[in-house]
Amino acid sequence: QKEVEQDPGPLSVPEGAIVSLNCTYSNSAFQYFMWYRQYSRKGPELLMYTYSSGNKEDGRFTAQVDKSSKYISLFIRDSQPSDSATYLCAMSPPTGGFKTIFGAGTRLFVKA
Amino acid sequence: DSGVTQTPKHLITATGQRVTLRCSPRSGDLSVYWYQQSLDQGLQFLIQYYNGEERAKGNILERFSAQQFPDLHSELNLSSLELGDSALYFCASSVGATTGRGEQYFGPGTRLTVT
Repeated sequence: QKEVEQDPGPLSVPEGAIVSLNCTYSNSAFQYFMWYRQYSRKGPELLMYTYSSGNKEDGRFTAQVDKSSKYISLFIRDSQPSDSATYLCAMSPPTGGFKTIFGAGTRLFVKA
Repeated sequence: DSGVTQTPKHLITATGQRVTLRCSPRSGDLSVYWYQQSLDQGLQFLIQYYNGEERAKGNILERFSAQQFPDLHSELNLSSLELGDSALYFCASSVGATTGRGEQYFGPGTRLTVT
């Protein structure tokens, strides 16, 4: 079993839809949770960062962490075609650094 | 723009050859990480350097090596290349050896094609 599980998709939604992307994990030591967006043939770009449990909102994006369930989510409201990309979750223990583990990424397509 | 630069953008070479990929971290970042990303493997951590010293090794082949120079730029050397080494190679940087915050900033990558 992988430490971080993420459905690779693809996920296809119409423009304006609410998108929910999720990851589960097995290591209870993880304290830092990130979401990266990666456009085709580009490097991953840090989207959201949260510490421990709770919610964080940034514009149309909301990140949720449920440590009791070992489950994290990224919600995208009013999705746009420009949101079409691969979304990778990542998480790390307090030591961070090379111990950051990335999910396989979910490919999202937002259709105009 | 993350502030991390990588050169070259694309590299096409033949099996058995050796190539060098270069990375400059964000200003102020002391750690550099190298990752390999292929279609079926996702992001695979290769190696981390912190302030010139090797900090951690991941799934890095013996044919691959890296170093970080006093000006903090890093080079990843790939030798005796095989077809299976074709992939995107990313460099990322962070402030500390153990970021504590977990986030890393990625460069645009080098696409390596081995023919």
